[in-house]
Amino acid sequence: GENVEQHPSTLSVQEGDSAVIKCTYSDSASNYFPWYKQELGKRPQLIIDIRSNVGEKKDQRIAVTLNKTAKHFSLHITETQPEDSAVYFCAASEGFQKLVFGTGTRLLVSP
Amino acid sequence: GAVVSQHPSRVICKSGTSVKIECRSLDFQATTMFWYRQFPKKSLMLMATSNEGSKATYEQGVEKDKFLINHASLTLSTLTVTSAHPEDSSFYICSARDLRTPYNEQFFGPGTRLTVL
Repeated sequence: GENVEQHPSTLSVQEGDSAVIKCTYSDSASNYFPWYKQELGKRPQLIIDIRSNVGEKKDQRIAVTLNKTAKHFSLHITETQPEDSAVYFCAASEGFQKLVFGTGTRLLVSP
Repeated sequence: GAVVSQHPSRVICKSGTSVKIECRSLDFQATTMFWYRQFPKKSLMLMATSNEGSKATYEQGVEKDKFLINHASLTLSTLTVTSAHPEDSSFYICSARDLRTPYNEQFFGPGTRLTVL
């Protein structure tokens, strides 16, 4: 089955800096890669996603890149703000199948 | 986006009792819902896939007789933790797949924190 690894587990940046979180997946059949943001005690919220027919997708300060050959994808947050502090999870799935989540990255943005 | 609710948000029960958690899709029909368990500072662990009108599909290592799932309608799935024990204490989150979205996006409920004394 699919296995998703995520790094780093924690990431501390200063406000205004960029943050990059990386994930690798094992199943070459996976073709959907969403990213979720989860604040303490709250539900995961989808922030951006990408399908395997696209190499990059951007939404304001957030972007995701995908390298199908290497089987890895990354989340890029630019101009970080304190409200970006949360736990971020990557995930992978094949079509409409179940999502397999990464282990999570705790992002702390200091003012 | 679509709205998914969960009830109750918190529950405390005695060891040996059963607890039912409801997951509802409020503004869309969901033929497929998912149940996750999340330990503190850990990732979401998929427990089972709930399919409307058929039996749930459980992940390896999840006891189906302990975690009973019923998906009797297109807007409601329930998870019953039977004969709960302290080790069942956790944060349980459901999600529902919205087929109206381009990628059949999963929307998550707010979660239920279960504490078994």
